[in-house]
Amino acid sequence: GIQVEQSPPDLILQEGANSTLRCNFSDSVNNLQWFHQNPWGQLINLFYIPSGTKQNGRLSATTVATERYSLLYISSSQTTDSGVYFCAVRLRGSRLTFGEGTQLTVNP
Amino acid sequence: NAGVMQNPRHLVRRRGQEARLRCSPMKGHSHVYWYRQLPEEGLKFMVYLQKENIIDESGMPKERFSAEFPKEGPSILRIQQVVRGDSAAYFCASSRLGVRPRNGYTFGSGTRLTVV
Repeated sequence: GIQVEQSPPDLILQEGANSTLRCNFSDSVNNLQWFHQNPWGQLINLFYIPSGTKQNGRLSATTVATERYSLLYISSSQTTDSGVYFCAVRLRGSRLTFGEGTQLTVNP
Repeated sequence: NAGVMQNPRHLVRRRGQEARLRCSPMKGHSHVYWYRQLPEEGLKFMVYLQKENIIDESGMPKERFSAEFPKEGPSILRIQQVVRGDSAAYFCASSRLGVRPRNGYTFGSGTRLTVV
């Protein structure tokens, strides 16, 4: 099946810093989403981005489908950005395949 | 305009008991997907259902686990004779079109099952 690799696995930032999270996938995909799982375990849909670039406030994402990777940018990080960021892709059919996540800690 | 609703949020069961997890899809959605998240891991697909029909259960353990989505009422994920290894967060997502929701999948808040 499709492989989804996220890097880095862990990231510690000071408040105000910028960061880039990466997601590599092993096959062409029809759907790619970025999720944020907050410290309470809730899974928040950040972006649906099978290709191109999107921005939402301090967050933006870019997917280069032909090169099989996606990037999530977080600018001016805040403590509330802490949590785990997951990339999930859909190849065919309906199931999403998730990466193992990037654990982000933003310190005040 | 409620999203995907899951209950209970937390469930504690003793080994050997049954666990029933419920998922009410978003209004107008007729397709439901269940995922399991073991501690410190990403989510793994379990089963995809539409009303009264299982579409894909290839991610479901062969024994003790079952899922249904009746014509009326929520989807139910049932785990019989729970063991400690079943302790996990179980998430549900729903969609209207099944395969290609226009804005991606939206997940419920999950049910955290603890087996003691």
